Amino acid sequence: EADIYQTPRYLVIGTGKKITLECSQTMGHDKMYWYQQDPGMELHLIHYSYGVNSTEKGDLSSESTVSRIRTEHFPLTLESARPSHTSQYLCASSVQQGNMNTEAFFGQGTRLTVV
Amino acid sequence: QKEVEQNSGPLSVPEGAIASLNCTYSDRVSQSFFWYRQYSGKSPELIMSIYSNGDKEDGRFTAQLNKASQYVSLLIRDSQPSDSATYLCAVGPYMNYGGSQGNLIFGKGTKLSVKP
Repeated sequence: EADIYQTPRYLVIGTGKKITLECSQTMGHDKMYWYQQDPGMELHLIHYSYGVNSTEKGDLSSESTVSRIRTEHFPLTLESARPSHTSQYLCASSVQQGNMNTEAFFGQGTRLTVV
Repeated sequence: QKEVEQNSGPLSVPEGAIASLNCTYSDRVSQSFFWYRQYSGKSPELIMSIYSNGDKEDGRFTAQLNKASQYVSLLIRDSQPSDSATYLCAVGPYMNYGGSQGNLIFGKGTKLSVKP
């Protein structure tokens, strides 16, 4: 069973508020990811990190920011939430073995609603 | 741009039948291949990984990989209504690619419906 945790599971917040979605993993994985997924739609990679102090933007433009100060922790922050940010946010982690990507493990997700 | 293609479905099969899910990928030097199951409103859950050509079986699930044809499939035997979900194919590129090209590439998923 994967040990990757996201909090909160559900969040309803007003427009303009600052929010931080938490993601922690206890597997010592170097690689961590944030995906955004609307109901019934595909996964979109919005941020990734290959290790401490390494963060990159993903394939889908996002107004959120991330940090990676510790290996196990990869929080995502929205400085000013808008209704367009309403979505499910999924955190994942994986490990690289040689030149090969191994499987990614997902947290349970945070369902964000901005009103 | 590396791509992973899946038929979006829905694929509908009767209970007890074999469900066959297919995935093709564009990057010939891809190294690793995964199938995830995602129930509505939940996060993806890994069900199979395969790295070499051929078949890999785990319970009712069999993953099949053909690197020459750039094709990976998932067979679900004795399908149950609880197998109704979206199945995501993910492909791991060769890691010497830089930047975001080194990340897993997910298909859009195939929705499977198993009718009692």
